[in-house]
Amino acid sequence: DGGITQSPKYLFRKEGQNVTLSCEQNLNHDAMYWYRQDPGQGLRLIYYSQIVNDFQKGDIAEGYSVSREKKESFPLTVTSAQKNPTAFYLCASSYSTGSANYGYTFGSGTRLTVV
Amino acid sequence: SQQGEEDPQALSIQEGENATMNCSYKTSINNLQWYRQNSGRGLVHLILIRSNEREKHSGRLRVTLDTSKKSSSLLITASRAADTASYFCATAPSSNTGKLIFGQGTTLQVKP
Repeated sequence: DGGITQSPKYLFRKEGQNVTLSCEQNLNHDAMYWYRQDPGQGLRLIYYSQIVNDFQKGDIAEGYSVSREKKESFPLTVTSAQKNPTAFYLCASSYSTGSANYGYTFGSGTRLTVV
Repeated sequence: SQQGEEDPQALSIQEGENATMNCSYKTSINNLQWYRQNSGRGLVHLILIRSNEREKHSGRLRVTLDTSKKSSSLLITASRAADTASYFCATAPSSNTGKLIFGQGTTLQVKP
């Protein structure tokens, strides 16, 4: 079955640590996205990539980094520079068109907590 | 930046009733999409309506789009307890950035 997989489901980070969230898709989608969701809030875009080896900052990129070395994979690193990283992180993918005429497929999310 | 604003923020109804959620946005769009999110899960795409469409149906879902008022509504008919979730609208701006902009969502509770 085609889909998008995020791991781990739960992640705990100590102060000053970098952590990496995994996102893998087998839908042959060109575009991939990372969103952050805080309790009771909507989604805020962190980074997105419309093609391999290229990515752009979203609205809240500070303290985060990404790579897109393979079409299937778009890992997100939450660095120690991100002062308030506790949140629910969602990865999504879609066919890449400038007009966004296709719906996004979302993973089931990673809940990150700072301990 | 959040373009879409959903109204109401929360809605509680009895099973069998209809649920209506509204979304307003600010800039011109190529399309508008609705998503559902069950608690602690990812979002699921429900329906996409293009800027030249006024109404679209999918099962018990009915979506309308009024581009002159920059607003959309999602109607769920004959609601079920399983419809309990948060519902988000997302807009694809005409600027063709390829990105969707999500609203804050409406939390729907359907009581059995």
